[in-house]
Amino acid sequence: TQLLEQSPQFLSIQEGENLTVYCNSSSVFSSLQWYRQEPGEGPVLLVTVVTGGEVKKLKRLTFQFGDARKDSSLHITAAQPGDTGLYLCAGGTGTASKLTFGTGTRLQVTL
Amino acid sequence: DTAVSQTPKYLVTQMGNDKSIKCEQNLGHDTMYWYKQDSKKFLKIMFSYNNKELIINETVPNRFSPKSPDKAHLNLHINSLELGDSAVYFCASSQGWPPPGQLQETQYFGPGTRLLVL
Repeated sequence: TQLLEQSPQFLSIQEGENLTVYCNSSSVFSSLQWYRQEPGEGPVLLVTVVTGGEVKKLKRLTFQFGDARKDSSLHITAAQPGDTGLYLCAGGTGTASKLTFGTGTRLQVTL
Repeated sequence: DTAVSQTPKYLVTQMGNDKSIKCEQNLGHDTMYWYKQDSKKFLKIMFSYNNKELIINETVPNRFSPKSPDKAHLNLHINSLELGDSAVYFCASSQGWPPPGQLQETQYFGPGTRLLVL
């Protein structure tokens, strides 16, 4: 069974701080996605990374896929209250449809 | 227009009852999914259909039966509901193939159905 462990589970920070969320597995994934889920809604895709060592930036968010394609990180610079939500990593295994989701990181950004 | 819609949004029912959740997507996608999100927010796939055919069937009790009347609809029927079935159920859809160079499709999720079994 493939597992994706995220850390930390919970993070409460003030506006303007930086943070990093980690997503780790003992399994190799062909691709890694990050989703954000807001309360009462479904997850929304933020990014897909497919190459070991790949780094993608989305405004204040930086995503990295580990060289061995077993782990990923999400770094947020100067967090804002609008970044509050549940962040989920999800690994793809080559079967284009099936995703294994991580355990989730709940982020709260306060003023 | 809502891309992926689910009904009902809330469902409160007694143990032992049978209930259905409906999902519709207007994105023209070929693949649809059902996920279960537990109280710890862990999201796990249950089923996936591609063009009305079952392609993913994870270890789910037989009490759960998906039905896809056409590729825009995927319904979930649950028999003999148990306390442990209480969760948020998400429907999702995707195109059926990944964008060039992406290897993985984007899945579009509905707003969820909050099921509480008493």
